[in-house]
Amino acid sequence: RKEVEQDPGPFNVPEGATVAFNCTYSNSASQSFFWYRQDCRKEPKLLMSVYSSGNEDGRFTAQLNRASQYISLLIRDSKLSDSATYLCVVNPTGGYQKVTFGIGTKLQVIP
Amino acid sequence: NAGVTQTPKFRVLKTGQSMTLLCAQDMNHEYMYWYRQDPGMGLRLIHYSVGEGTTAKGEVPDGYNVSRLKKQNFLLGLESAAPSQTSVYFCASSSRPLGGTFTNTGELFFGEGSRLTVL
Repeated sequence: RKEVEQDPGPFNVPEGATVAFNCTYSNSASQSFFWYRQDCRKEPKLLMSVYSSGNEDGRFTAQLNRASQYISLLIRDSKLSDSATYLCVVNPTGGYQKVTFGIGTKLQVIP
Repeated sequence: NAGVTQTPKFRVLKTGQSMTLLCAQDMNHEYMYWYRQDPGMGLRLIHYSVGEGTTAKGEVPDGYNVSRLKKQNFLLGLESAAPSQTSVYFCASSSRPLGGTFTNTGELFFGEGSRLTVL
């Protein structure tokens, strides 16, 4: 089993829709979790951290489910500008310097 | 407002040629990283540095060398390029070490990437 698994998509959704992605991780000792956003042919940028209690930033909500070992990202009221690939990033061992990236989930918001 | 700058942005090499990718950051970050990104795979860590004069191996270090002679620069070298090294290379920096807990982990700031093709 891969350390971090994501559905590569693409998820094609109409503007204004709500869409959710999941990311599963294999190591129960994982300590920290993040979502990065990567636009086409651009560099990844941090979107948000995923806290145990969940966190929200505007239209974006991130959740952590330790029991089932997955994190999720919910995007409400999708905008065309949300079209990108969303990378799940996990620190699998709690150690330093080596985090694991998922392959990313591609979102295409359609007018 | 440069952040992390990579040069060159694009390069085509022949098998066996050598080259160096330069990464420069102006944020005074201690930690710097080189990743490669290939289709269908997540970013993979090649080498990293926890400060000036230090380097360490990541997940896929074979065929690459690095140097961090100055705090702001992190160089990635390919001594004898192979087609398997065709990839997009990203440099990143962080003010704090990655990992640990939420309260102390660093955020990665990436350069724009360098697209390398080895024929």
